[in-house]
Amino acid sequence: SAVISQKPSRDICQRGTSLTIQCQVDSQVTMMFWYRQQPGQSLTLIATANQGSEATYESGFVIDKFPISRPNLTFSTLTVSNMSPEDSSIYLCSVEDEGRVNTEAFFGQGTRLTVV
Amino acid sequence: LAKTTQPISMDSYEGQEVNITCSHNNIATNDYITWYQQFPSQGPRFIIQGYKTKVTNEVASLFIPADRKSSTLSLPRVSLSDTAVYYCLVDGGYQKVTFGTGTKLQVIP
Repeated sequence: SAVISQKPSRDICQRGTSLTIQCQVDSQVTMMFWYRQQPGQSLTLIATANQGSEATYESGFVIDKFPISRPNLTFSTLTVSNMSPEDSSIYLCSVEDEGRVNTEAFFGQGTRLTVV
Repeated sequence: LAKTTQPISMDSYEGQEVNITCSHNNIATNDYITWYQQFPSQGPRFIIQGYKTKVTNEVASLFIPADRKSSTLSLPRVSLSDTAVYYCLVDGGYQKVTFGTGTKLQVIP
């Protein structure tokens, strides 16, 4: 299993500013995932972050808007840049249990972002 | 990644057994079926996972027919605290987890 800590748990930000979300895992993992969950919706994958390489972004998400860092095997950050009200969402960090072929994913509590 | 289809919402009274069925017609040979539970303001939490037939743990049972094109999550004697969104996923392991719409279960007193 993995325990994931996300900071901040919530924030209210002014449009045009940027927010960096931190994700700390209690064990070393190869891949970390960042999701967005808009109000009342399912989770949408933003990108996959591998240590030592550029993050891989899903369709509709770009590095300039959501830069990601992955400095080591237990930590990652996601920045939401030049925010607008449409970026108001819950952002979640996730890792997968790498000890098994049948994957179990673990999630942080999420960061609730409100852009005003 | 196989697409899943599940009911948008369900209501159930306390104490009843709840069965949520998920369709995954394009499931691949090496795909597993996994169910997650998400409470408001929390990240999803793993409930159960299976490949075929029946799997049971302390929380739920998972029934998978021989053709594996569907699966049913069974929650015995639900309580108010089981009110949550339940997601069905299929994946082949070591892949990004892709979520469908989920089923919003409302347990009624």
